Formats: sequence, C-alpha cells, structure tokens
Amino acid sequence: GEQVEQLPSILRVQEGSSASINCSYEDSASNYFPWYKQEPGENPKLIIDIRSNMERKQIQELIVLLDKKAKRFSLHITDTQPGDSAMYFCAASGGGSNYKLTFGKGTLLTVTP
Amino acid sequence: DPKIIQKPKYLVAVTGSEKILICEQYLGHNAMYWYRQSAKKPLEFMFSYSYQKLMDNQTASSRFQPQSSKKNHLDLQITALKPDDSATYFCASSQETANTGQLYFGEGSKLTVL
Repeated sequence: GEQVEQLPSILRVQEGSSASINCSYEDSASNYFPWYKQEPGENPKLIIDIRSNMERKQIQELIVLLDKKAKRFSLHITDTQPGDSAMYFCAASGGGSNYKLTFGKGTLLTVTP
Repeated sequence: DPKIIQKPKYLVAVTGSEKILICEQYLGHNAMYWYRQSAKKPLEFMFSYSYQKLMDNQTASSRFQPQSSKKNHLDLQITALKPDDSATYFCASSQETANTGQLYFGEGSKLTVL
C-alpha cells in the first residue's frame, strides 16, 4: 500500500518567517494530496489540498507544491503567526484504493514571537 | 455543532474486556472511516466503508470489528483489549471516495486500557 514520509518531525520558526514541510509518496497512481492541521486535544481539520492535475495551489498564506515526477509535495506557510503552531499532517490517496487516505507521521510546528 | 458524533469521548477499560465506540455522522456522506492515533502511530488508517460495505481493512487483528447498522453509523467493537490498544480513535466521513472529497473527522474517543 501507499507509504507517506513527512519531514521534519519538529519545526520551530520565528513569527513572520516561512515554514516548509515536505512529504514524499510511493504510489505513482496517488492523485489527491491533502494537508490537515491538528491542534492539541482536537480533531484534524483540512487546511488545503491539491490534486494531481495541478502543480501549485495557494490559499492565503498557505502554498502547496506538487512534483509528480519526484513523487513529492510540500506545504509552505508564509508570514507565520503563533496561531499557526500545531501538528500538521500530509496525506495521499487514490493509488491502490480510493477509500483510503494514508497520512505522514506529522510535523509539530511551533511559531515563536 | 459537531456533525460527526463520537461516543464516548473518554473511556477507561481493563485488559481483556470489550468496548464499543459509537460513531454517527449527519453530513449525508456515503463513506465512513476509522483511524487510530497514538504517540507511536499518528493517524493510522483502520477501516473504510462505503454505502455500508467494507472497502478497506488495514487492521491485522480480528479483535477490531466495525459495525454499520445504518448508512450514517459506523461503530467499532474492540474485544480482548490490550494496553497497546490505548489510543484516540477517530471516526471520519467523506461524501464519496477519500480522494474526491474532503475527509471530515469526529472529535475522537480516547481509550485507555489498564
């Protein structure tokens, strides 16, 4: 089945700077790549996603890039704020099964004032 | 108001016992899922159902049995509980497949096995 690697596992940045999280996947048939944000004690919530027919997508300060050849995708948060501090998960779906979203192990982002 | 209801929110069980985690979604979705989250394995996929039919099962142990009595219900029965089963279990749903629409998560059921 699909495997998703996510790095780094811990990321600490200063307020106002950018944060980048990188993920790679194995199944070239995967076609959907969402990103979820999870705050302590809460459930994961979708923040942005990208499909395989796109290379770049931006929603406000969130940018997602997809490189299908390299089987990599990444999340970039520009102008980070303390409220961006949370666990972030990347995921991939649509390869071997359309009913399974495989998640990376997560990145704990801390934005310091 | 949460649209995916999970009960109970917290539960404590003894080793060897059995528990049922309840999940109901009011989003009108056709696919439902169970995920497990622990320190060792964040957001680990367990099961997916579509129109009450099992689509994927990634749980090696038969101690975990999903039960779907209605399209918007997907409960999880766990038997012969072990301390290693301690985790937060998230129910989720999507309109159709996991790669055509957003996956929404419930608030989770945190299970502690002593």
